[in-house]
Amino acid sequence: NAGVMQNPRHLVRRRGQEARLRCSPMKGHSHVYWYRQLPEEGLKFMVYLQKENIIDESGMPKERFSAEFPKEGPSILRIQQVVRGDSAAYFCASSLQTGGNQPQHFGDGTRLSIL
Amino acid sequence: QKEVEQNSGPLSVPEGAIASLNCTYSDRGSQSFFWYRQYSGKSPELIMSIYSNGDKEDGRFTAQLNKASQYVSLLIRDSQPSDSATYLCAVNVRNNDMRFGAGTRLTVKP
Repeated sequence: NAGVMQNPRHLVRRRGQEARLRCSPMKGHSHVYWYRQLPEEGLKFMVYLQKENIIDESGMPKERFSAEFPKEGPSILRIQQVVRGDSAAYFCASSLQTGGNQPQHFGDGTRLSIL
Repeated sequence: QKEVEQNSGPLSVPEGAIASLNCTYSDRGSQSFFWYRQYSGKSPELIMSIYSNGDKEDGRFTAQLNKASQYVSLLIRDSQPSDSATYLCAVNVRNNDMRFGAGTRLTVKP
């Protein structure tokens, strides 16, 4: 499967625990984006990363949330000390390196549920 | 002002009709525009991209772009019940950075 791979598909955590969401971009893509989507709402941009660099994190909450895209391995979105309001679908997308006309391709998402 | 705005709907059209979805954006420097379709509980999938003023047709879909008016639209001809979904407008705001509208929910009634 050459598409964007996200895991896990579903993640259940209790309040106060940590959640780690993983995203492997499409082959050849070096740009990764994370979005959050609440039920019946649109996609909210969180963060844009390239390998080893955060390019734009203007959509990330200031506390508890962090993201990385290491030289080797998948991109990780980390949520510390989760609260009920963190329950949402988290989508990862990737795009090619070159040019500004590249569309983003989405993974199937991780559905995070906080008990 | 939101970067990308869409009517949330719901928009309901009868089967066989033309569905018209609209989107406006705030950044005059935007050069790339995309329409995504998202079925309930699924991830967004790219259905159209447009970069130049005018119309771009792909099967039953036509994207229209007017940069002077900062307006982009999607027409779906001969709408089918399987077209029922949320349609997301997306705009590049900087090189390789993109923002999405809240989406318009379309229902095509048999």
